[in-house]
Amino acid sequence: ETGVTQTPRHLVMGMTNKKSLKCEQHLGHNAMYWYKQSAKKPLELMFVYNFKEQTENNSVPSRFSPECPNSSHLFLHLHTLQPEDSALYLCASSPDAANTEAFFGQGTRLTVV
Amino acid sequence: GENVEQHPSTLSVQEGDSAVIKCTYSDSASNYFPWYKQELGKGPQLIIDIRSNVGEKKDQRIAVTLNKTAKHFSLHITETQPEDSAVYFCAASIRAGTALIFGKGTTLSVSS
Repeated sequence: ETGVTQTPRHLVMGMTNKKSLKCEQHLGHNAMYWYKQSAKKPLELMFVYNFKEQTENNSVPSRFSPECPNSSHLFLHLHTLQPEDSALYLCASSPDAANTEAFFGQGTRLTVV
Repeated sequence: GENVEQHPSTLSVQEGDSAVIKCTYSDSASNYFPWYKQELGKGPQLIIDIRSNVGEKKDQRIAVTLNKTAKHFSLHITETQPEDSAVYFCAASIRAGTALIFGKGTTLSVSS
């Protein structure tokens, strides 16, 4: 276990649904990240939070909405997704957003139908 | 912005052989280079990292080398074992406050 827990592990949703992905870290880290992993593509950075403040939004469509209520929790709210949004969504944390080791959760496998 | 290229995309070796995966980066300001291993159904896990003030780092059967002039770094796995089979990702980080940029990954298969 890496200390980063993601729920749910698997999610199937329709294009009109609203769902949320949850990430929790017990490492005392101050930076948290959302990455998207699609087949045959590099891990794509989506959002960065450092000390609960969003520091990067990597041109992500507004149908993905992050929320970081505290340094231990990170959410990704999903609404009106498209089939091409189906992917593995990975959460990571690091002591801070300053060139340090990132610890990843096991991911949520999302399928949009 | 930073761009990280990784080669090869797939690599098959016999148990006991060595495996080498190479990455190049575009931004000369990059200063942190981790390698991650991802097994099926799991998230990426750090296996070794190197910073720009060091040329080589070794941890048992794995080692990483960095050539700042050429802007490339490599992962070396010696005496490969079937449990080394996984997808390996290189990454680079430029400055404080920026997240890691990843390569596309290398699928390593070690056959016994």
